[in-house]
Amino acid sequence: KNQVEQSPQSLIILEGKNCTLQCNYTVSPFSNLRWYKQDTGRGPVSLTIMTFSENTKSNGRYTATLDADTKQSSLHITASQLSDSASYICVVSAEQAGTALIFGKGTTLSVSS
Amino acid sequence: EAQVTQNPRYLITVTGKKLTVTCSQNMNHEYMSWYRQDPGLGLRQIYYSMNVEVTDKGDVPEGYKVSRKEKRNFPLILESPSPNQTSLYFCASSFGPSYGYTFGSGTRLTVV
Repeated sequence: KNQVEQSPQSLIILEGKNCTLQCNYTVSPFSNLRWYKQDTGRGPVSLTIMTFSENTKSNGRYTATLDADTKQSSLHITASQLSDSASYICVVSAEQAGTALIFGKGTTLSVSS
Repeated sequence: EAQVTQNPRYLITVTGKKLTVTCSQNMNHEYMSWYRQDPGLGLRQIYYSMNVEVTDKGDVPEGYKVSRKEKRNFPLILESPSPNQTSLYFCASSFGPSYGYTFGSGTRLTVV
C-alpha cells in the first residue's frame, strides 16, 4: 500500500534555531517527492519538488534531501523565523497511478520568540 | 497573477440542500483536482480531471460530483450534503503529475 509517514507530528522551536522534518514513504513506482508549506486555513504552497535523480534541493532557508534507496526525505529549515510556523506536508507522486498524489499528514511547526 | 480561485471561502448549509463550490484557474493547466482536509487525516483526493471532459475518482468520491466542461473551471457539486462532509476543501491545478501544483485558498464548508 502506498503510504507517506511524517515525523514528528508536531515540533516547537525557538526563533533562530534550525530544525529537520522527516518523511518516509513506501510509494512505488516513485515519480517525485514534494514538500509543501501550509499556513493555518490556507492552501498549501510548494517549497520543493525532487525526482528520483535529485538528492538535494534548496529554496531559500529550506533545504530538502531525498534518499531514494532508503525511501526517506528530510526538510531542513535554517535560522527559523516566526513566519515559518505552519504545517509542512510531504507529498509523493507515483508513476502510472493516474495523477493521484499520496499525502503525508504533515508536521506542525511552531516557532516561538 | 497566476492563481486558483475558489468560491465561496466559507459556506454554512443544511443537510440535503444542493450546493456547488466553484474552482477556476488562469494558468491553462490541464490537470485539476479536488481535496478535502480533515484534522488528523491530512489531504485526501476527491476527484481529479486530466483534461476537458475527462474526470476520475480519487480516494473519497462518495457524495460528490464534478464536471470539466471548460479547461479553466472544475466545480465540485454536493447533490445532498450531509454533516460528514463538513470539511476544508481545496482545489488544485497543474500542467501534469510531474509539475508543481497550485492550490486555491480553500473553502470551509459546514453542513448542519
